[in-house]
Amino acid sequence: GENVEQHPSTLSVQEGDSAVIKCTYSDSASNYFPWYKQELGKRPQLIIDIRSNVGEKKDQRIAVTLNKTAKHFSLHITETQPEDSAVYFCAASSGGSARQLTFGSGTQLTVLP
Amino acid sequence: GAVVSQHPSRVICKSGTSVKIECRSLDFQATTMFWYRQFPKQSLMLMATSNEGSKATYEQGVEKDKFLINHASLTLSTLTVTSAHPEDSSFYICSARTRQGTTEAFFGQGTRLTVV
Repeated sequence: GENVEQHPSTLSVQEGDSAVIKCTYSDSASNYFPWYKQELGKRPQLIIDIRSNVGEKKDQRIAVTLNKTAKHFSLHITETQPEDSAVYFCAASSGGSARQLTFGSGTQLTVLP
Repeated sequence: GAVVSQHPSRVICKSGTSVKIECRSLDFQATTMFWYRQFPKQSLMLMATSNEGSKATYEQGVEKDKFLINHASLTLSTLTVTSAHPEDSSFYICSARTRQGTTEAFFGQGTRLTVV
């Protein structure tokens, strides 16, 4: 099955700096890669996603890049703000009828004011 | 986006009892729902895939007789934790995707289960 690895596990940045979180996946058939933000005790919230036919996608301060050859994708947050502090999860979906998601281990992002 | 409602949000039960968690898709039909378990400071681990009108597909290591899943309609899936033990205490979250083939998954609010 799919295996998703995520790094780093914790990340602290100063407000206004950029944050980068990286993930790798194992299943070359995976074609959908979402990123979720989860606050303590809350449900994961989709912040951005990318499909395998696209190399990069941007939404305001958030961007995701995908390298299919190397099987890795990254989340970039620019101009970080304290409210960006949360746990971020990457995920991969290998398609098929179930289209289940396999999650990375998560990154605790702390933005220091 | 689509809305998935999960209840209860918190439940405390005694060891040996059973607890039922409901997951509803409020404004769309979901032929497939997914149940995840999340321990503190850990990732979401898929427990099972719930298919409307058929048996659920369980991930390796998940006991199907302990975690009973029923997906009797296109808008409701339930997870029953039977004979709960303290080690079953966790955050349980369901998710669903629409039938229209969009890839985005919509999550319920999650259920914090504490077994005492």
